Amino acid sequence: IQLTQSPSFLSASVGDRVTITCRASRAISSYLAWYQQKPGKAPKLLIYAASTLQSGVPSRFSGSGSGTEFTLTISSLQPEDFATYYCQQVNSYPPFGQGTRLEIK
Amino acid sequence: EVQLVESGGGLVKPGGSLILSCAASGFTFSSYSMNWVRQAPGKGLEWVSSISSSTSFKYYADSVKGRFTISRDNAKNSLYLQMNSLRAEDTAVYYCARDPGHYGDYGVLFDYWGQGTLVTVSS
Repeated sequence: IQLTQSPSFLSASVGDRVTITCRASRAISSYLAWYQQKPGKAPKLLIYAASTLQSGVPSRFSGSGSGTEFTLTISSLQPEDFATYYCQQVNSYPPFGQGTRLEIK
Repeated sequence: EVQLVESGGGLVKPGGSLILSCAASGFTFSSYSMNWVRQAPGKGLEWVSSISSSTSFKYYADSVKGRFTISRDNAKNSLYLQMNSLRAEDTAVYYCARDPGHYGDYGVLFDYWGQGTLVTVSS
Protein backbone atom coordinates (compact mmCIF):
# COMPACT_ATOMS: atom_id res chain seq x y z
CA ILE A 1 0.00 0.00 0.00
CA GLN A 2 1.43 3.35 -1.04
CA LEU A 3 0.71 6.68 0.62
CA THR A 4 0.73 9.84 -1.49
CA GLN A 5 0.68 13.23 0.18
CA SER A 6 -0.45 16.42 -1.49
CA PRO A 7 0.76 18.99 -1.91
CA SER A 8 4.44 18.17 -1.58
CA PHE A 9 5.15 21.82 -0.87
CA LEU A 10 2.88 24.43 0.66
CA SER A 11 3.46 28.11 1.27
CA ALA A 12 1.19 29.82 3.79
CA SER A 13 1.01 32.73 6.21
CA VAL A 14 0.64 32.90 9.97
CA GLY A 15 -3.05 32.67 10.79
CA ASP A 16 -3.96 30.71 7.66
CA ARG A 17 -5.97 27.52 7.73
CA VAL A 18 -4.14 24.77 5.88
CA THR A 19 -5.01 21.26 4.87
CA ILE A 20 -2.68 18.47 3.84
CA THR A 21 -4.05 15.35 2.17
CA CYS A 22 -2.79 11.78 2.35
CA ARG A 23 -4.19 9.20 -0.04
CA ALA A 24 -3.70 5.45 0.34
CA SER A 25 -3.56 3.16 -2.68
CA ARG A 26 -5.92 0.78 -0.86
CA ALA A 27 -8.30 1.24 2.03
CA ILE A 28 -6.60 1.32 5.43
CA SER A 29 -9.66 2.03 7.61
CA SER A 30 -8.47 4.60 10.19
CA TYR A 31 -4.98 3.19 10.57
CA LEU A 32 -3.23 6.46 9.87
CA ALA A 33 -0.97 8.77 11.85
CA TRP A 34 0.54 12.20 11.25
CA TYR A 35 3.96 13.48 12.29
CA GLN A 36 5.62 16.87 12.30
CA GLN A 37 9.35 17.23 11.74
CA LYS A 38 11.36 20.42 12.08
CA PRO A 39 14.81 20.78 10.48
CA GLY A 40 17.48 18.88 12.36
CA LYS A 41 14.97 17.41 14.79
CA ALA A 42 13.26 14.06 15.25
CA PRO A 43 9.68 13.66 14.08
CA LYS A 44 6.89 14.28 16.56
CA LEU A 45 3.66 12.29 16.68
CA LEU A 46 0.66 14.60 16.22
CA ILE A 47 -2.33 12.39 15.45
CA TYR A 48 -3.08 8.67 15.37
CA ALA A 49 -6.13 6.61 14.46
CA ALA A 50 -6.71 9.27 11.79
CA SER A 51 -8.24 11.78 14.21
CA THR A 52 -6.98 11.20 17.78
CA LEU A 53 -4.77 14.02 19.01
CA GLN A 54 -1.61 12.87 20.76
CA SER A 55 -1.27 14.17 24.30
CA GLY A 56 0.21 17.65 24.44
CA VAL A 57 -0.50 18.53 20.80
CA PRO A 58 -2.31 21.87 20.37
CA SER A 59 -5.97 21.67 19.43
CA ARG A 60 -5.42 23.71 16.26
CA PHE A 61 -4.24 20.41 14.75
CA SER A 62 -6.94 18.01 13.63
CA GLY A 63 -7.17 14.93 11.48
CA SER A 64 -9.98 13.32 9.58
CA GLY A 65 -10.74 10.64 7.04
CA SER A 66 -10.92 6.91 6.67
CA GLY A 67 -10.47 4.36 3.95
CA THR A 68 -8.22 5.93 1.33
CA GLU A 69 -8.36 9.67 1.93
CA PHE A 70 -7.16 11.51 5.00
CA THR A 71 -6.53 15.13 5.91
CA LEU A 72 -4.45 17.00 8.44
CA THR A 73 -5.77 20.47 9.15
CA ILE A 74 -4.09 23.28 11.03
CA SER A 75 -6.81 25.76 11.87
CA SER A 76 -4.65 28.85 12.39
CA LEU A 77 -0.99 28.57 11.52
CA GLN A 78 1.49 29.60 14.17
CA PRO A 79 5.16 30.41 13.50
CA GLU A 80 6.24 27.14 15.13
CA ASP A 81 4.07 25.09 12.74
CA PHE A 82 6.31 25.62 9.74
CA ALA A 83 7.80 22.18 9.27
CA THR A 84 7.51 19.02 7.21
CA TYR A 85 4.54 16.76 7.82
CA TYR A 86 4.39 13.02 7.18
CA CYS A 87 1.49 10.63 7.17
CA GLN A 88 2.06 7.02 8.21
CA GLN A 89 -0.03 3.93 7.72
CA VAL A 90 0.00 1.95 10.91
CA ASN A 91 -0.56 -1.61 9.72
CA SER A 92 1.21 -1.93 6.38
CA TYR A 93 4.61 -1.28 4.83
CA PRO A 94 6.17 0.95 3.66
CA PRO A 95 4.64 3.11 6.31
CA PHE A 96 5.40 6.73 5.45
CA GLY A 97 4.17 9.19 2.88
CA GLN A 98 6.75 11.30 1.06
CA GLY A 99 6.16 14.39 3.21
CA THR A 100 4.68 17.85 2.81
CA ARG A 101 6.93 20.82 3.43
CA LEU A 102 5.07 23.78 4.89
CA GLU A 103 6.89 27.09 4.52
CA ILE A 104 6.18 30.69 5.40
CA LYS A 105 4.81 32.81 2.55
CA GLU B 1 10.56 11.76 31.19
CA VAL B 2 10.99 9.37 28.29
CA GLN B 3 14.45 9.60 26.75
CA LEU B 4 16.00 7.72 23.86
CA VAL B 5 19.66 8.35 23.10
CA GLU B 6 21.27 6.82 20.02
CA SER B 7 24.99 6.30 19.58
CA GLY B 8 27.41 4.43 17.36
CA GLY B 9 27.06 6.33 14.12
CA GLY B 10 30.01 7.41 12.05
CA LEU B 11 31.87 7.05 8.77
CA VAL B 12 32.26 3.54 7.39
CA LYS B 13 33.46 2.19 4.06
CA PRO B 14 31.13 0.34 1.70
CA GLY B 15 30.93 -3.29 2.74
CA GLY B 16 31.75 -2.42 6.32
CA SER B 17 29.83 -2.93 9.55
CA LEU B 18 28.54 -0.77 12.35
CA ILE B 19 26.51 -1.30 15.50
CA LEU B 20 24.06 1.36 16.62
CA SER B 21 22.80 1.54 20.18
CA CYS B 22 19.83 3.27 21.74
CA ALA B 23 19.74 3.83 25.50
CA ALA B 24 16.24 4.17 26.90
CA SER B 25 15.11 5.74 30.15
CA GLY B 26 11.99 7.15 31.78
CA PHE B 27 9.72 4.19 30.98
CA THR B 28 9.53 0.43 31.43
CA PHE B 29 11.61 -0.50 28.41
CA SER B 30 10.78 -4.20 28.54
CA SER B 31 7.08 -3.47 28.00
CA TYR B 32 7.38 -1.77 24.62
CA SER B 33 8.17 -2.74 21.07
CA MET B 34 10.97 -0.66 19.64
CA ASN B 35 11.94 0.46 16.17
CA TRP B 36 14.63 1.92 13.98
CA VAL B 37 13.65 4.56 11.41
CA ARG B 38 16.15 6.28 9.12
CA GLN B 39 16.25 9.42 7.04
CA ALA B 40 18.70 9.92 4.21
CA PRO B 41 20.01 13.49 3.82
CA GLY B 42 17.26 15.70 2.45
CA LYS B 43 14.87 12.77 2.09
CA GLY B 44 11.81 11.39 3.85
CA LEU B 45 11.40 8.88 6.64
CA GLU B 46 12.04 5.18 6.04
CA TRP B 47 11.12 2.48 8.55
CA VAL B 48 14.02 0.05 8.99
CA SER B 49 13.20 -2.55 11.63
CA SER B 50 11.00 -3.40 14.60
CA ILE B 51 11.38 -5.73 17.57
CA SER B 52 8.71 -6.84 20.00
CA SER B 53 9.04 -6.29 23.74
CA SER B 54 10.07 -9.89 24.42
CA THR B 55 12.21 -10.17 21.23
CA SER B 56 9.83 -12.83 19.91
CA PHE B 57 9.13 -10.89 16.73
CA LYS B 58 11.53 -9.01 14.51
CA TYR B 59 10.67 -7.27 11.25
CA TYR B 60 12.83 -5.69 8.60
CA ALA B 61 12.39 -3.48 5.57
CA ASP B 62 13.21 -5.29 2.33
CA SER B 63 16.04 -2.81 1.76
CA VAL B 64 17.96 -4.09 4.81
CA LYS B 65 16.76 -7.68 5.18
CA GLY B 66 19.67 -10.09 5.46
CA ARG B 67 22.14 -7.29 6.23
CA PHE B 68 20.79 -5.66 9.39
CA THR B 69 19.90 -7.33 12.70
CA ILE B 70 17.83 -5.72 15.41
CA SER B 71 18.21 -6.79 19.02
CA ARG B 72 17.57 -5.55 22.52
CA ASP B 73 18.75 -6.10 26.07
CA ASN B 74 15.87 -5.43 28.42
CA ALA B 75 18.15 -5.71 31.45
CA LYS B 76 20.23 -2.84 30.08
CA ASN B 77 17.28 -0.85 28.66
CA SER B 78 19.02 -0.84 25.32
CA LEU B 79 18.15 -1.35 21.67
CA TYR B 80 20.69 -2.25 19.00
CA LEU B 81 21.04 -2.37 15.24
CA GLN B 82 23.85 -4.46 13.79
CA MET B 83 24.49 -3.24 10.26
CA ASN B 84 26.59 -5.35 7.89
CA SER B 85 27.47 -5.09 4.21
CA LEU B 86 26.79 -1.38 4.31
CA ARG B 87 26.07 0.47 1.08
CA ALA B 88 26.16 4.12 0.11
CA GLU B 89 22.36 4.15 0.12
CA ASP B 90 22.38 3.27 3.83
CA THR B 91 23.75 6.75 4.56
CA ALA B 92 21.18 8.37 6.84
CA VAL B 93 20.33 9.61 10.27
CA TYR B 94 19.10 6.59 12.23
CA TYR B 95 16.44 7.15 14.86
CA CYS B 96 15.24 4.74 17.49
CA ALA B 97 11.57 5.13 18.26
CA ARG B 98 9.15 3.64 20.77
CA ASP B 99 5.88 2.01 19.81
CA PRO B 100 3.23 2.96 22.38
CA GLY B 101 1.40 -0.31 21.75
CA HIS B 102 -1.96 1.18 20.78
CA TYR B 103 -2.27 -1.38 18.00
CA GLY B 104 -0.70 -4.43 19.64
CA ASP B 105 0.47 -6.91 17.03
CA TYR B 106 -1.60 -5.25 14.30
CA GLY B 107 0.35 -2.12 13.69
CA VAL B 108 3.20 0.16 14.63
CA LEU B 109 3.21 3.75 15.81
CA PHE B 110 6.12 5.91 16.91
CA ASP B 111 5.42 8.11 19.92
CA TYR B 112 8.90 8.91 21.23
CA TRP B 113 12.03 9.36 19.14
CA GLY B 114 15.69 9.80 19.90
CA GLN B 115 17.76 12.63 18.46
CA GLY B 116 19.28 10.35 15.83
CA THR B 117 22.79 9.22 14.93
CA LEU B 118 24.33 9.81 11.51
CA VAL B 119 25.72 6.91 9.54
CA THR B 120 27.79 7.80 6.49
CA VAL B 121 28.86 5.06 4.10
CA SER B 122 31.58 6.30 1.82
CA SER B 123 35.00 5.30 0.58
